[in-house]
Amino acid sequence: SQTIHQWPATLVQPVGSPLSLECTVEGTSNPNLYWYRQAAGRGLQLLFYSVGIGQISSEVPQNLSASRPQDRQFILSSKKLLLSDSGFYLCASTRLAGGLEQFFGPGTRLTVL
Amino acid sequence: EDKVVQSPLSLVVHEGDTVTLNCSYEVTNFRSLLWYKQEKKAPTFLFMLTSSGIEKKSGRLSSILDKKELFSILNITATQTGDSAVYLCAVEKGSGYALNFGKGTSLLVTP
Repeated sequence: SQTIHQWPATLVQPVGSPLSLECTVEGTSNPNLYWYRQAAGRGLQLLFYSVGIGQISSEVPQNLSASRPQDRQFILSSKKLLLSDSGFYLCASTRLAGGLEQFFGPGTRLTVL
Repeated sequence: EDKVVQSPLSLVVHEGDTVTLNCSYEVTNFRSLLWYKQEKKAPTFLFMLTSSGIEKKSGRLSSILDKKELFSILNITATQTGDSAVYLCAVEKGSGYALNFGKGTSLLVTP
């Protein structure tokens, strides 16, 4: 069965500092991978998705970027964090064998101070 | 602009009540509609609906999609305190299977 790992679970960073969040997936091959952000009082917002290694689509312009260096690894980065980057960051993956449901990792709660 | 609207935004019921949560959508290139339950952490998958009029059921939860009227409902019968959560509706679009989420319905079931 598929497992999604995200780390760290919680992160507190100062404004202007860099960010790197990692997501890895086990138990599936060639999944679509997604980064979402859930801010207080708002719904889940899609940030990036990837259909393969090196292929990144951005849904919302911002100071974040994403990379997919390996089939089952998806990284979210920022060079300089803003206060508005605070939120709950979720990585999601489609299931193996063509299943289209997205399953979520445990998430990283980021607070920018 | 794509929209997914859930109602009500929040709901408080007593244990044993039946609740109906609503999700309406306007999305280009619709593929499917999904329901998730979110407690303190990551959303967990409940249902995926692609065809109109076919009810999906899992225990006390059921859901149905109307592609003509562009909405879906999620029913929970004989609610329990463990059903307390935020219920998220999401619509899947064609390219890359990206999900467009509603803001959720916060359900609180009191003993």
